[in-house]
Amino acid sequence: QKEVEQNSGPLSVPEGAIASLNCTYSDRGSQSFFWYRQYSGKSPELIMSIYSNGDKEDGRFTAQLNKASQYVSLLIRDSQPSDSATYLCAVNTGANSKLTFGKGITLSVRP
Amino acid sequence: GAVVSQHPSWVICKSGTSVKIECRSLDFQATTMFWYRQFPKQSLMLMATSNEGSKATYEQGVEKDKFLINHASLTLSTLTVTSAHPEDSSFYICSARPSSYEQYFGPGTRLTVT
Repeated sequence: QKEVEQNSGPLSVPEGAIASLNCTYSDRGSQSFFWYRQYSGKSPELIMSIYSNGDKEDGRFTAQLNKASQYVSLLIRDSQPSDSATYLCAVNTGANSKLTFGKGITLSVRP
Repeated sequence: GAVVSQHPSWVICKSGTSVKIECRSLDFQATTMFWYRQFPKQSLMLMATSNEGSKATYEQGVEKDKFLINHASLTLSTLTVTSAHPEDSSFYICSARPSSYEQYFGPGTRLTVT
């Protein structure tokens, strides 16, 4: 059974700090990795996708992938109160396959 | 780009009636769309995969006769909740893929069955 695990949280960081969100997956055949942000009462929003080992940066967000360790992470630099949300890690095993989601971790950024 | 819409955004219906929810990809064609359900403070649960021009694939435990899915065109999928009951009250979210990998969500439909 394919599994995606995230720390249970919640995670609280002060404004301006780096928030580090981690995710592990069980299927070594996984090819695509995504981070979604979900505000309370809203639907998930895609914020990062990563397909190869290493780091991918987009503004204040950096996704890191290590396929050997089956580990993907999301770093949020200079955290803002508006980053307070639930972050979902998602993985799929190939083109046109369905996503497997982690349970999500709730991030709270304290002003 | 990659915008997905849903209609209605919220609906209240009486127990025993049916409700149809539409999901549209506005700026791309989607041969595959997905329907999720999310209860308060719980994870997303995939209900079914909707394939244009063919039958939907339902996840284990999801009643296909209760949750009817029709994917009649490359930009439209509908979910009909038949004979709705209060326990069907939930947040229903669709998603679609403009490419083989990335998946974008609609804004969701909040269903309340009284």
